[in-house]
Amino acid sequence: GAVVSQHPSWVICKSGTSVKIECRSLDFQATTMFWYRQFPKQSLMLMATSNEGSKATYEQGVEKDKFLINHASLTLSTLTVTSAHPEDSSFYICSASYLAGGPGRPRTDTQYFGPGTRLTVL
Amino acid sequence: SQQGEEDPQALSIQEGENATMNCSYKTSINNLQWYRQNSGRGLVHLILIRSNEREKHSGRLRVTLDTSKKSSSLLITASRAADTASYFCATDGGGGKLIFGQGTELSVKP
Repeated sequence: GAVVSQHPSWVICKSGTSVKIECRSLDFQATTMFWYRQFPKQSLMLMATSNEGSKATYEQGVEKDKFLINHASLTLSTLTVTSAHPEDSSFYICSASYLAGGPGRPRTDTQYFGPGTRLTVL
Repeated sequence: SQQGEEDPQALSIQEGENATMNCSYKTSINNLQWYRQNSGRGLVHLILIRSNEREKHSGRLRVTLDTSKKSSSLLITASRAADTASYFCATDGGGGKLIFGQGTELSVKP
């Protein structure tokens, strides 16, 4: 259980275009999803926290108009990189957590990570 | 912002040896977690240790936590080539957020 998928796994786009990345929790309802960015040989940097049905909370320094996050359902969050530029090339990873625990449910204080999306902007 | 500092940044050992990675953090925590990341992949949760615990085991993994020193260590015993990966500690940043350390890149040579 506790499987999170991301689509696409990799994408190459031209500078100036927008790219949408999907994050899905496959076997549980994710009340909260998180979006991270990871540059080569570096750690994960939290970009934003997304709660179902409400606006995302962005970390300091992350442009909310550039990185649009939508969490329309308990199993799906999307990150849209608008007007992408080469400096946006990175590995984007989502994670999901579940508020209320119980037998057979994912732990509430554990995040389950998607496999990541490699974005290359030419 | 990054809270955790990990050392070493890179570690290369032979199969069968033990690998120890350390993590230090700055603020008080409720729990600390360790994750593994294979190259170009997502993260896999390894183990969580709560602030009132001092040591925890899971298979070949042993995690210690010293809240007085704000540090944790991850020991992998009898390492295997398949353990080659990057290892990250993460502390709770409030609101369910995780704050990751810089990571240790472990290479286990067969």
